[in-house]
Amino acid sequence: EPEVTQTPSHQVTQMGQEVILRCVPISNHLYFYWYRQILGQKVEFLVSFYNNEISEKSEIFDDQFSVERPDGSNFTLKIRSTKLEDSAMYFCASSQLGMGAGELFFGEGSRLTVL
Amino acid sequence: GESVGLHLPTLSVQEGDNSIINCAYSNSASDYFIWYKQESGKGPQFIIDIRSNMDKRQGQRVTVLLNKTVKHLSLQIAATQPGDSAVYFCAESSAGNNRKLIWGLGTSLAVNP
Repeated sequence: EPEVTQTPSHQVTQMGQEVILRCVPISNHLYFYWYRQILGQKVEFLVSFYNNEISEKSEIFDDQFSVERPDGSNFTLKIRSTKLEDSAMYFCASSQLGMGAGELFFGEGSRLTVL
Repeated sequence: GESVGLHLPTLSVQEGDNSIINCAYSNSASDYFIWYKQESGKGPQFIIDIRSNMDKRQGQRVTVLLNKTVKHLSLQIAATQPGDSAVYFCAESSAGNNRKLIWGLGTSLAVNP
């Protein structure tokens, strides 16, 4: 069964460092997403991406965040200068169709710990 | 004040019983709703969805009910099994923001053998 894969599974970094989280969405999917979940809290939308551009982003997704689809398979989330409050589980998701017309498939997440 | 960590509502059921997990939403414009299951250490997994033009939808052992009048969504799991133990999230989106899911807090379901 096709799945969304994420690397690394866990990353520990120092405050102020840059972090890149990587995702390989399901191959025939067209829509890509990043969500995050701070421990014990709600899942929060960060950004959606379609046709090589951001289609929607949340207030959380400030100038410190960026996304990129550098080739035909990878979808990355970069945090330029990490803060303590960026510590969370980051989930990548993809869907074949836009929301409301198909389900999101989530990866297993990348846990980011900022010290 | 700021919430450092939220205590999840918990539902504890006996194996074989039916489970009902409830969710309230606040956005009247929401027209698409999804239930996700999240097992420990894993990403959310799609269970079932429903559009606002329906009030009930059934899947395999699961049923979602939507009451738009009171903005309430429920997930019913028939013959609950130990493998159903997980945190269950409802999520909503609206036609104007149809690529952005707004998630509920989650309910932890514990199935006792």
